[in-house]
Amino acid sequence: AQKVTQAQTEISVVEKEDVTLDCVYETRDTTYYLFWYKQPPSGELVFLIRRNSFDEQNEISGRYSWNFQKSTSSFNFTITASQVVDSAVYFCALSERDSGGGADGLTFGKGTHLIIQP
Amino acid sequence: DAGVIQSPRHEVTEMGQEVTLRCKPISGHDYLFWYRQTMMRGLELLIYFNNNVPIDDSGMPEDRFSAKMPNASFSTLKIQPSEPRDSAVYFCASSPGGELFFGEGSRLTVL
Repeated sequence: AQKVTQAQTEISVVEKEDVTLDCVYETRDTTYYLFWYKQPPSGELVFLIRRNSFDEQNEISGRYSWNFQKSTSSFNFTITASQVVDSAVYFCALSERDSGGGADGLTFGKGTHLIIQP
Repeated sequence: DAGVIQSPRHEVTEMGQEVTLRCKPISGHDYLFWYRQTMMRGLELLIYFNNNVPIDDSGMPEDRFSAKMPNASFSTLKIQPSEPRDSAVYFCASSPGGELFFGEGSRLTVL
């Protein structure tokens, strides 16, 4: 069975600070995908990144970066120089590849509520 | 391109009533998912379809819930009869295979 754990339920930082959101996953598959989604106060779910299990390269996109480490089953997300607009709930998710090879549904963590104070 | 479209955005109903939530996926996406979000349980996958065929409905809580996808551009999630514990935000998402694109959700309140 697959599982995603986001141990930090809420984080509050002051604007311009760096912040890291932790994500630990469990899966028995060797092929899987990891995701991060953002849910701002308006409620929609916004896709941020997808990473497959064979690509452990870290990724950077502007102020966002992701650190994938298979050895510790972690896929952490860092926001550099945080801004008030980054305030949202962030979800880490896992997809195990089914025999069809397509999307087979995501298992989400409980989410981390990030509060950026001005 | 239009994203995933869900309706209604908000629904308030009384216990025992039938509720139908609707979803129009992104054109060309072969996969469609229904999720439910509550404070207690977070985001839960209810059911998903591939090419209009239900693949996994193990997340559907009970027989009061049913979902259909009569064609590639439309899906419904029906609750009959509704109960207060069904109050949640229901998300529809579609995918070409890979990341999921979510609609804005339907907030259901059952009194």
